Amino acid sequence: QKEVEQNSGPLSVPEGAIASLNCTYSDRGSQSFFWYRQYSGKSPELIMFIYSNGDKEDGRFTAQLNKASQYVSLLIRDSQPSDSATYLCAASYSGAGSYQLTFGKGTKLSVIP
Amino acid sequence: EAQVTQNPRYLITVTGKKLTVTCSQNMNHEYMSWYRQDPGLGLRQIYYSMNVEVTDKGDVPEGYKVSRKEKRNFPLILESPSPNQTSLYFCASSSPAGLDFPDTQYFGPGTRLTVL
Repeated sequence: QKEVEQNSGPLSVPEGAIASLNCTYSDRGSQSFFWYRQYSGKSPELIMFIYSNGDKEDGRFTAQLNKASQYVSLLIRDSQPSDSATYLCAASYSGAGSYQLTFGKGTKLSVIP
Repeated sequence: EAQVTQNPRYLITVTGKKLTVTCSQNMNHEYMSWYRQDPGLGLRQIYYSMNVEVTDKGDVPEGYKVSRKEKRNFPLILESPSPNQTSLYFCASSSPAGLDFPDTQYFGPGTRLTVL
């Protein structure tokens, strides 16, 4: 069974610091990877996705993918209290007309003013 | 406004009483999916649909049914709900980015279901 593992946290960082969120996945056939942010009681919203090894930057967010290590990370620079939320990592697999997206259980981030 | 809508948003029902949670998207997306989210278990995929009349099981399909007769709608049916189906349910949709796999998934607002 495909699994995505995340540290549940909570991860606490001071305002302005870098928050580092990590994720590992079990299926080497996984093709794309997503980071979602979810505020309590709300639906997940996409922050970033990454397909290729290396880094991908979007504003204060950087996603990193290492397929050899089956490892995905998300860095949040200049963390703000509004970044306090649960961050979900997801891995997708597709083939033979099927598609599956598997989520980790999420890491709760708390940014302290 | 591009969106995924779900109804109802909140539902309390009793064991065995059939119910349907509707999901509709106005983005002409081919791919739609249902998830349930439980404390400590995260988001788990129930069913998904690659296109009209094409559906497949996710990780936790037992006790659920779906249908995809129209592109925009993807209802979730609980024929005989049980208390272990008490959960927060999300519908999502996306459009393929490439030949084989969908891109960004847009989530509905969620339906909080309680089965007594």
